[in-house]
Amino acid sequence: DAKTTQPNSMESNEEEPVHLPCNHSTISGTDYIHWYRQLPSQGPEYVIHGLTSNVNNRMASLAIAEDRKSSTLILHRATLRDAAVYYCILRDSRNTDKLIFGTGTRLQVFP
Amino acid sequence: NAGVMQNPRHLVRRRGQEARLRCSPMKGHSHVYWYRQLPEEGLKFMVYLQKENIIDESGMPKERFSAEFPKEGPSILRIQQVVRGDSAAYFCASSQKQGISTDTQYFGPGTRLTVL
Repeated sequence: DAKTTQPNSMESNEEEPVHLPCNHSTISGTDYIHWYRQLPSQGPEYVIHGLTSNVNNRMASLAIAEDRKSSTLILHRATLRDAAVYYCILRDSRNTDKLIFGTGTRLQVFP
Repeated sequence: NAGVMQNPRHLVRRRGQEARLRCSPMKGHSHVYWYRQLPEEGLKFMVYLQKENIIDESGMPKERFSAEFPKEGPSILRIQQVVRGDSAAYFCASSQKQGISTDTQYFGPGTRLTVL
């Protein structure tokens, strides 16, 4: 599975937008980009996924670069509840069983 | 619709004892995955099961660890003769179907195993 690179940590203030970057320069044409997050002392939860086009859902937006070598998870208005570790994961459409988690980005949100 | 359930939430064992971790998938889900998270580390895949079948156990330690997902009842992750290095959070996830790259895995709250 292709590797992803994320900053170790980021900070934000409440009510402000947050842009969480992810680099995946070796992504293949069959890889989907998935984002999960893990709140403190909880299991991971699915956030969003995409292939080529930008995606929006009730939790976040996913902006995918035209060459697909990077993507950005966008939280439009951060809340204290968004403080978590965010994982950017590539899933090969030909091999879709396990998720391979990196170290993720720890997001701190300040009131 | 209840989510993925895991029990116990916390488990304490002494070295050499056995640990049994249970996972009940979401209703309608027949695919179960187990992951382990060591302190201050990311999650590592252990095993993927369907009902009565182990599909991928490439992440399971070769000794002392086993997993099953019987036709009836929860999936069980069993650790025999636990050692201190087994202390970790063990997460179970379930999904509806495999073979689709958009298939979401839903995670349980985890079982935190402490080996004394």
